[in-house]
Amino acid sequence: DIVMTQSPDSLAVSLGERATINCRSSQSVFYRSNNKNYLAWYQQKPGQPPKLLIYWASTRESGVPDRFSGSGSGTDFTLTISSLQAEDVAVYYCQQYCSTPRTFGQGTKVEIK
Amino acid sequence: QVHLVQSGAEVKEPGASVKVSCKASGYTFTNYVIHWVRQAPGQRLEWMGWINAGNGNTKYSQKFQGRVTTTRDTSASTAYMELSSLRSEDTAVYYCAREQAAVTHFDSWGQGTLVTVSS
Repeated sequence: DIVMTQSPDSLAVSLGERATINCRSSQSVFYRSNNKNYLAWYQQKPGQPPKLLIYWASTRESGVPDRFSGSGSGTDFTLTISSLQAEDVAVYYCQQYCSTPRTFGQGTKVEIK
Repeated sequence: QVHLVQSGAEVKEPGASVKVSCKASGYTFTNYVIHWVRQAPGQRLEWMGWINAGNGNTKYSQKFQGRVTTTRDTSASTAYMELSSLRSEDTAVYYCAREQAAVTHFDSWGQGTLVTVSS
C-alpha cells in the first residue's frame, strides 16, 4: 500500500497570510505514460463530507477559489492557500489514486492564529 | 447537479450487519464508479472498496475482504455497501463518493452515514 504522510498535523495562520501543507507518498504517484501525478487534495469542514479542491496534483476543481493551488511531482506535493480566509478553517487531506487501495494522508488541521 | 444522498444513521450490536445506501441523481449512474470510504472518530479517511455502477464489477480493500459487499440497483440509481460481523472499531461515518472517470479523483461525496456499533 502507498502510505501518504502529511506535514504538519496542524497549523495556525493569520488571516490573509499563506498556509502551506505538505504531502509525501511512500512511492511515486507519477505516471510517465500520461505525464500525470495521481494526487488529489480535499477539504473537510466539521460535520461535512470531504470536498474536492485539487486533482492531478495541480488542477483546481471548478468553483474552487484561486487562492488554493497545488504543486509537486513524484512523491512530494504541496497545497498552498495564498491568503487564508476565515472560511478556509478545515482539515485538508491528500489522496493518491494511482493504485488500490486508494490511500489518504492523516489530515492537516488549519486554524486562524 | 450531481447529488449522492445516503441513508440515515444506524445503531447495531456487535456481530450484526449494516447496509448503507447511496442514491445518485443529476448524472448517468451507470457511467461512473462509486467508492466507499469511512472515517472513524478522529481518524483519517479509509478507503473500503468500489463498484462499477455500469457492469457491477467490484474491488475491495484487503482489510475488509470477506466482510464488505458493494452492490447496485441501476433501476434506482442506488449503490449499497454492506458490512458484516460488526465490531466496535467499525463505529464510523461511512461515505459514498463518485469517481469522475476511470482511475481518478472523487468529485462528489454523499453526506455520510454514521454507523454506531454498541451493545
